[in-house]
Amino acid sequence: QSVLTQPPSASGTPGQRVTISCSGSSTNIGSNNVHWYQHLPGAAPRLLMFHNDQRPSGVPGRFSGSKSGTSASLAISGLQSEDEADYYCAAWDESLDLSVFGTGTKVTVL
Amino acid sequence: QVQLVQSGAEMKKPGASVKVSCKASGYTFSAFYIHWIRQAPGQGLEYMGWINPNSGVTNFPQRFQGRVTMTRDTSITTAFMELRNLTSDDTAMYYCSRTRSRNGWFEYWGQGSLVAVSS
Repeated sequence: QSVLTQPPSASGTPGQRVTISCSGSSTNIGSNNVHWYQHLPGAAPRLLMFHNDQRPSGVPGRFSGSKSGTSASLAISGLQSEDEADYYCAAWDESLDLSVFGTGTKVTVL
Repeated sequence: QVQLVQSGAEMKKPGASVKVSCKASGYTFSAFYIHWIRQAPGQGLEYMGWINPNSGVTNFPQRFQGRVTMTRDTSITTAFMELRNLTSDDTAMYYCSRTRSRNGWFEYWGQGSLVAVSS
């Protein structure tokens, strides 16, 4: 069902840098902005990044985003234990007139 | 402040219908689209569609066509999502969220409504 592809898992030790990729197509990432969400168990998803690389107020600076062509990525620098969560990319799909989510990446802090 | 407050948990039998509500406050209800997203146990986020509260226009993925209805009642600033002919695969946490434009980002979310389908 997911139109955007992410690696199922990523991990690192505290302080390390972790990068999550998100691959789409010309009708979604290729022509629209990418947004990222952090989802912790038992809570509603939280907006982490909008417009590819913009952090909402309150999101730590160790989170950064980028987009190139039909792919995007989220980087977490200086990984902390509280960053252990599921991360999803999302984008608008022009051909569907709908938003689409990525498959999700579980980040583990070793 | 912006709040989206959803209805409580529901237990349904297969074949039944469920209607989840999303009460908005703290902003002009008709000026923001409402979206519905769900997460089944052990699965990822699944986008279910959007409604324009101003016009009532909706759109949802093909896989939900014929089974989902999204409505709103502007007098009580509430959006509704009804899902029919439930199966165990519909067991999930259902969330509502709002965006300024229909292609925007999901900044505010409801707390989630658990729907469990079991015989």
